[in-house]
Amino acid sequence: SQELEQSPQSLIVQEGKNLTINCTSSKTLYGLYWYKQKYGEGLIFLMMLQKGGEEKSHEKITAKLDEKKQQSSLHITASQPSHAGIYLCGADNFQTSYDKVIFGPGTSLSVIP
Amino acid sequence: DAGVIQSPRHEVTEMGQEVTLRCKPISGHNSLFWYRQTMMRGLELLIYFNNNVPIDDSGMPEDRFSAKMPNASFSTLKIQPSEPRDSAVYFCASSPHGQAGYGYTFGSGTRLTVV
Repeated sequence: SQELEQSPQSLIVQEGKNLTINCTSSKTLYGLYWYKQKYGEGLIFLMMLQKGGEEKSHEKITAKLDEKKQQSSLHITASQPSHAGIYLCGADNFQTSYDKVIFGPGTSLSVIP
Repeated sequence: DAGVIQSPRHEVTEMGQEVTLRCKPISGHNSLFWYRQTMMRGLELLIYFNNNVPIDDSGMPEDRFSAKMPNASFSTLKIQPSEPRDSAVYFCASSPHGQAGYGYTFGSGTRLTVV
């Protein structure tokens, strides 16, 4: 079955600093999704990556998928308190035609003003 | 659109009691998912419906858990009897079929505490 690992497990940064969160798959990814979860709330979709080498940006958040499609990184530039939350990567269960997503354990981000 | 609506937001119940969680998906979304989130196990997929039909329930922990989707606008997740280890946040999500993680909209979750 598809397994996703994330690192680091948690991160505390000073406001204005850059940071990177990694997501590694045990198998080649078909689709890789990044979600953000604010504490006590549901997940919010950030970005989807499907092609090897693909890179997408939204405001100060950039996500990349490596050429082998087994690793993705999420980079935040000049972090702000509003970036705090839990970031989860998810992947399609590409072994079937079902469009369900399996999620990694998440990375908890705290941004200190 | 009001988004995915879950009720109740919080539920505290005694061990052995029946618990019913409710979800109203976004109108027009054909797929509905129930997830459970705990510190130990993260976000786990419990069951997935497509066009009101259960497609994959391999994530349902045991027979104490059951889920139904009687129509396109309503789903329930029932735990009977509940146990303390069922304490978690339960999320419902819906998506237009074929848009997987790209189209997921999550509800705000139900925080269940079984004492």
